[in-house]
Amino acid sequence: EVQLLESGGALVQPGGSLRLSCAASGFIFSNYAMSWVRQAPGKGLEWVSAISGIGTTTYYAESVKGLFTISRDNSKNTLYLQMNSLRAEDTAVYYCAKDLKTTTVYYFDYWGQGTLVTVSS
Amino acid sequence: EIVLTQSPATLSLSPGERATLSCRASQSVSIYLAWYQQKPGQAPRLLIYDASNGATGIPARFSGSGSGTDFTLTISSLEPEDFAVYYCQQRSTWPRTFGQGTKVEIK
Repeated sequence: EVQLLESGGALVQPGGSLRLSCAASGFIFSNYAMSWVRQAPGKGLEWVSAISGIGTTTYYAESVKGLFTISRDNSKNTLYLQMNSLRAEDTAVYYCAKDLKTTTVYYFDYWGQGTLVTVSS
Repeated sequence: EIVLTQSPATLSLSPGERATLSCRASQSVSIYLAWYQQKPGQAPRLLIYDASNGATGIPARFSGSGSGTDFTLTISSLEPEDFAVYYCQQRSTWPRTFGQGTKVEIK
C-alpha cells in the first residue's frame, strides 16, 4: 500500500525558514518523480515544486523560485522541501504527491494527508 | 504560464442527475489534462488523466473528454459521495497549473 506521510509544518514568523519532509512507502521511491502541492485556507490547489526520480532535475513555481528548494534522499525514501524567507502568502497545507507513472508525467495519483504551514507574527 | 479556467464555479444538482464540468486552457495543452476530486479535509484524488483515461479504481460514471483548449468532466449519474470540489490540471508545460475548481453541491 502506497503511503505518503508529511511532517514539519509549523507556525513560523515572516522571514523564517522551515523544512518539510515526506516519508514514502509501498512503492519503489526512486522510480517516481515527486511533487509538492499547496492549498491556502479555503483556496484551490497550487503546484509548488517537482523533482525527478533520481533527483537530478527540479522545477519550481515562479512564486517560490529562489526561496524554496526541493530535494530527495532515495536511500531514506524521503522527499524534502526547504522553505526560506517565508511570507504570509506561503500559509497553506502542503501536500507531497507521487507521479502517476515511472515515465514521469507529473500527474499525481497518491497524496499525503498534508502538513500545515502558518506564516504569521 | 497556462491558465486553466473552470466553469461553472458552483454546480447545484440532485443525486441521480448528470454533471458536466468544463475546463478551458489559455493555450493548447493537447490531451495533457487531468481531473481531481477533493472532499473537505481530504487530499485530492486523481480521477482522469490524459483527458479521457480513468485512473485506477475510478467508477465508470466518471468520464473525461476534450483536447486542445476545451475539456469536459462528466459524471453520468451523481451519487451522494460525488458532491465535492473538482480541479483540472495540465502537464503540457511548466509550471504545472490547476484550475480554480468547480464545487458540485447538493441542490
